[in-house]
Formats: sequence, structure tokens, C-alpha cells
Amino acid sequence: EAQVTQNPRYLITVTGKKLTVTCSQNMNHEYMSWYRQDPGLGLRQIYYSMNVEVTDKGDVPEGYKVSRKEKRNFPLILESPSPNQTSLYFCASSWSGINQPQHFGDGTRLSIL
Amino acid sequence: DQQVKQNSPSLSVQEGRISILNCDYTNSMFDYFLWYKKYPAEGPTFLISISSIKDKNEDGRFTVFLNKSAKHLSLHIVPSQPGDSAVYFCAGAGGTSYGKLTFGQGTILTVHP
Repeated sequence: EAQVTQNPRYLITVTGKKLTVTCSQNMNHEYMSWYRQDPGLGLRQIYYSMNVEVTDKGDVPEGYKVSRKEKRNFPLILESPSPNQTSLYFCASSWSGINQPQHFGDGTRLSIL
Repeated sequence: DQQVKQNSPSLSVQEGRISILNCDYTNSMFDYFLWYKKYPAEGPTFLISISSIKDKNEDGRFTVFLNKSAKHLSLHIVPSQPGDSAVYFCAGAGGTSYGKLTFGQGTILTVHP
């Protein structure tokens, strides 16, 4: 089954404790991206990757890091999480970019205390 | 600076009637637009897209209209069904990159039986 898998689905943690949200896709997609969803703000893009070893900033990259060492995986790293990063996070992938339909994961709800 | 705006947070319609969801954008570099639908506890799913070389694109019950001079697009759902009840996000992209995507805040559509 074609899917984008995020882990963990839920996480409650404390300020400053480094965390990684993993994202894996099994569709051999070139493009992957991370978004956060917040009430009243909709979805906002954090980072995207057009291909392996190629990443670029979205609209809200501050406080986040990503890496794309292999095609299927695109982890999101919060080096020093803060409460304003409490949010619902989505990973997505598509064949070649946003002009192809993106497949989204089911989301990761992060709470930073 | 919200480059994509959905000014109606919610819309309520009767089953069988038309639903019209609106979206405005400010970035004149945008030349590709998409609509995504999101159910609770799931990731968004792609609905329909339109390139700026067109002013209309249709897929079954869903039609997207683009008015470039007004920087406005709309999604028409005819006829509306209770299963269409979801959050709808419009998004825009373009310029030199098809990696960056900017979403609106979303509109909650409720279709009453």
C-alpha cells in the first residue's frame, strides 16, 4: 500500500530536549516536504526537498532542521524545542514537486511543555 | 504576510446545493494553484489543481475557477454531499520553484443532510 509514515504520532516533551520526527515514503517519490498546522493559520511549509541531498526552506523554517540522505526518508529535527513549536505536523511526498498531488502522512501531534 | 487568504472560516450548505469556497492571493508570481481536503485525524488529500494558463478546471463534481486579474480562485462543489464535510485548503506556488507551497487558513465546510 502506497503510504507516507510518520513517527511518533503523538509526543509530549519538554523545552530544550532534542527530538526527531521520522517520515518515510514507499512510493519512490523525489519530492518530500514538512508542514505544520495551527488554528487560524492553516498549513505552513517548514522545509522541502526536491531530491536526495537537496533541501530548501519553506515559510517557517526557524527552529527546525531536516536532512535527505536517502530518497525514502525525510526526518524533521527540533534541536532545542520550544513551546511555540507545539503543533500538528505533516510530512508529504510527490513525484516531482508541488505540481503533482502530494500524499500526506496522518500527522504527528507535538506538545512542548 | 498571508499570501494566500481564505476569508471564510466556515461554510454551511444543504445537501444537493452548490458549495462555493473562495481564496485570494497576493503573490503575482504564483502560477499554479491547488485545493486539498482534510478530514479530522487524517492528513490532507489532493482534490484539484489549476495552472494559470487556464481559467477553469473540472473534475466530476468539483470545479476550480481562476481569475488572475482579481487574484482570486474559487472551488465549486455541485451537488454537495454530506461526505464533503471537511476542511478545505487552497494553496499557491510558482516563480522559480515548484518546491515551495503556500496554503491558506482553510475553510470548514459542513453539508447538512
